[in-house]
Amino acid sequence: QKEVEQNSGPLSVPEGAIASLNCTYSDRVSQSFFWYRQYSGKSPELIMSIYSNGDKEDGRFTAQLNKASQYVSLLIRDSQPSDSATYLCAVNGGRDDKIIFGKGTRLHILP
Amino acid sequence: SAVISQKPSRDICQRGTSLTIQCQVDSQVTMMFWYRQQPGQSLTLIATANQGSEATYESGFVIDKFPISRPNLTFSTLTVSNMSPEDSSIYLCSVEAGGIAEAFFGQGTRLTVV
Repeated sequence: QKEVEQNSGPLSVPEGAIASLNCTYSDRVSQSFFWYRQYSGKSPELIMSIYSNGDKEDGRFTAQLNKASQYVSLLIRDSQPSDSATYLCAVNGGRDDKIIFGKGTRLHILP
Repeated sequence: SAVISQKPSRDICQRGTSLTIQCQVDSQVTMMFWYRQQPGQSLTLIATANQGSEATYESGFVIDKFPISRPNLTFSTLTVSNMSPEDSSIYLCSVEAGGIAEAFFGQGTRLTVV
């Protein structure tokens, strides 16, 4: 069974520091990788997508992909209290092209 | 991206009744997806709805319990039938827009069954 694993947290990070969120996936043929942010009581919001090995930067966010290790990460620089949310890792493009979500990591930015 | 309108945003229902959730997209999409998110849990795919064909259900979900309609390329409904308290959850409509694999979500429907 295909799985996406994340540490549930909570991960507490001081304001202004770098938050590092990690994710592993089981289906080696996966092609597309995503990070979603979900505030309490809200629906998930796509913040980053990555499709090839290496780093992809967008503002304060950097996604990192290592297909050989089946590992995806999200770095948030200069963390702000507004970054406090649950971050969902999602993987697509496996054999049945469905998006599989991890259980999410709760991130708490300490003012 | 796509703009997805989902309604109702929340409801409290009596056990044994049914609730139909509507999902409207601002552009034509081939596939629409229905997810369930139980408290403190991640998203679980219920079914994939293609226009013009029957929905494809994931393991553990059946058409009698979660009938889905997909009358056109911009609209879908999910019905939660014969509800029990275990059906209390957030139900989310999702689409993959623009020919890319990224999923976009509606606002969700928070269902409480009493």
